[in-house]
Amino acid sequence: AQKVTQAQTEISVVEKEDVTLDCVYETRDTTYYLFWYKQPPSGELVFLIRRNSFDEQNEISGRYSWNFQKSTSSFNFTITASQVVDSAVYFCALSGAGDYKLSFGAGTTVTVRA
Amino acid sequence: GAGVSQSPRYKVAKRGQDVALRCDPISGHVSLFWYQQALGQGPEFLTYFQNEAQLDKSGLPSDRFFAERPEGSVSTLKIQRTQQEDSAVYLCASSSEDSLKNIQYFGAGTRLSVL
Repeated sequence: AQKVTQAQTEISVVEKEDVTLDCVYETRDTTYYLFWYKQPPSGELVFLIRRNSFDEQNEISGRYSWNFQKSTSSFNFTITASQVVDSAVYFCALSGAGDYKLSFGAGTTVTVRA
Repeated sequence: GAGVSQSPRYKVAKRGQDVALRCDPISGHVSLFWYQQALGQGPEFLTYFQNEAQLDKSGLPSDRFFAERPEGSVSTLKIQRTQQEDSAVYLCASSSEDSLKNIQYFGAGTRLSVL
């Protein structure tokens, strides 16, 4: 069984501050994928990033970066220099390599104030 | 179309009514998924199609829920004899079969309110 935990319910920051979202996962699979999705008020889940379990290299993509650590089963996500448009609910999700289902965390609501 | 399209965006039903929710996936996407999202929660898997074949319906909460994708494109999620606990946002997602096949692209959802 897959489980994803996002301990932070809400985060509020002032524009230009950095925001780090925590995600801890549980899986028995040796091969799996981790994702971050964003859900703005419009409701549509927007894909942000995907990482597979064999690639622990942390990367930066624009203002987004992520920190994947298998040893602690964590997949944290950072928004650098936050903007008001970043305000949304952010979901961490997990799927096994042969399991198409996504298991989502409960989400973290990010509010960026001008 | 360019993205996953769902209709209607909002549906209000009286308890006991049947409802049908439609999903138009991204053109050419083989896989289609339905999820249910309760207020303040993450989406929960309902069912999965590969083309017209329903390969997994383990997430459907009861036999009142039924999904179909007869021609391998548009899908319909039907809920019979709706109950208040069915109130949620129903999300549809599709994915391709290439190297990006694990990435699911979502529609904006249908918000169902059962009174």
